[in-house]
Amino acid sequence: AQSVTQLGSHVSVSEGALVLLRCNYSSSVPPYLFWYVQYPNQGLQLLLKYTTGATLVKGINGFEAEFKKSETSFHLTKPSAHMSDAAEYFCAVSAMNRDDKIIFGKGTRLHILP
Amino acid sequence: DAGVIQSPRHEVTEMGQEVTLRCKPISGHDYLFWYRQTMMRGLELLIYFNNNVPIDDSGMPEDRFSAKMPNASFSTLKIQPSEPRDSAVYFCASSLGMGPQHFGDGTRLSIL
Repeated sequence: AQSVTQLGSHVSVSEGALVLLRCNYSSSVPPYLFWYVQYPNQGLQLLLKYTTGATLVKGINGFEAEFKKSETSFHLTKPSAHMSDAAEYFCAVSAMNRDDKIIFGKGTRLHILP
Repeated sequence: DAGVIQSPRHEVTEMGQEVTLRCKPISGHDYLFWYRQTMMRGLELLIYFNNNVPIDDSGMPEDRFSAKMPNASFSTLKIQPSEPRDSAVYFCASSLGMGPQHFGDGTRLSIL
């Protein structure tokens, strides 16, 4: 079975500062990992995904995440925050090569301070 | 290609009424998911289908909720009778296999 823990339901950073959103997962088999973003009054959109291969994954809008198997982590980062990054971010996990549903974390709301 | 299309975008109705939410998945996708999102409980998976067949409905709150997928291009989520605690945003999502899910913009449901 898979599970996801997102540390911090709210994170505030200043515009131009580093964004770091934490995600730890649990999986009994090799995982697929995802980050989604949700802007107000919209559905979730895929930011990036890790399946196999390179552990540093680049996504849209300058975000990237690194799969660290030893730490069971998949933290999301962006070097310089922009006001438009204010949104809710969801980490998700599914089981590689199995017909299991994706499990979403509870989400982290990112606030950007001017 | 068009994304996942949900209707209506907003629904306000009185408790006890039947509510039907509709979803058109992305053409070619073989999985369809219904989620509910509230401030208190976050994003909850209600039910999902594979090739129009319900696979897991363990997230459906109670018998008042039902979902159907009569064909590959259409699904409904029905609540009968509706209650104020059903107020939430309901999302439909589709995917090809268990890959990334594509979400619709949701239906904001308010039960008075």
